[in-house]
Amino acid sequence: QSVLTQPPSVSAAPGQKVTISCSGSSSNIGNNYVSWYQQLPGTAPKLLIYANNKRPSGIPDRFSGSKSGTSATLGITGLQTGDEADYFCGTWDNSLSAVVFGGGTKLTVL
Amino acid sequence: EVQLVESGGGLVQPGGSLRLSCAASGFTFSSYEMNWVRQAPGKGLEWVSYISSTGYTIVYADSVKGRLTISRDNAKNSLYLQMNSLRAEDTAVYYCARVWGTSNEAFDIWGQGTMVTVSS
Repeated sequence: QSVLTQPPSVSAAPGQKVTISCSGSSSNIGNNYVSWYQQLPGTAPKLLIYANNKRPSGIPDRFSGSKSGTSATLGITGLQTGDEADYFCGTWDNSLSAVVFGGGTKLTVL
Repeated sequence: EVQLVESGGGLVQPGGSLRLSCAASGFTFSSYEMNWVRQAPGKGLEWVSYISSTGYTIVYADSVKGRLTISRDNAKNSLYLQMNSLRAEDTAVYYCARVWGTSNEAFDIWGQGTMVTVSS
C-alpha cells in the first residue's frame, strides 16, 4: 500500500491528452514539492517534473505538472507510442521523514 | 557525461550480506546529496536511504533501519550500501539516485540499477 495514490492504469489514443493523478495528504503533497518520473520498460526512472511543475532540460513541453492542495497531476499532450511507460509521483513526507512514491500508473497508448 | 553506475548485486541467502557500490562520473560528486531507491520485481519504487553531500546526515526507511547502511567516499566519487541480515523482501533492483536541488524531493540522475536476489 503506497502512501501516495495513483490510478493503476490509463490509456488514450495517439495524439490525444491524458492526465495522471497523485493523491496524498498534508504531511506529504500538501506541504512539499512533487516530482514525476517516467520508467520505460526495462530502464531506470527518468525525472520528468520537479517542484510540482518544472521540467528539467530536455523534457518536452508536452509534459506538464500541477498541484492543488494534497493532490498533484501529470499531463501529457500529443501522445506518442514512445510514451508508453510507468509513471510515478514522489515527494517528501514530513510525518514519516521519508521519501514516498505513488504505486505507479501504466500508460497505454492505443 | 553525467553518469551513475551501480555494481555489487547478486544472489545471497537469507541472513547474508552484500555491499553495493555506485560510481559517479561527469559531475562534482562531493557537492550532491544521494539516495538509494529500490524496486521489487513488478512493483513500484521504494525509497531506501539518503545521505548528505558530506555524509554527516543520513536517513533510512523504517523497513531497512538497523540492517542497511549507506555511506560515501567523496575522494573516490562513490556511494555505498552495506546490506546485512538480508530478507526475501529485500529482493529488488537497487538504484542510486542524485538529488536535484536542495531538498530531497526530486532525483535527477539515476543509475542503471543492480539486482539483489535474496533466496535459499
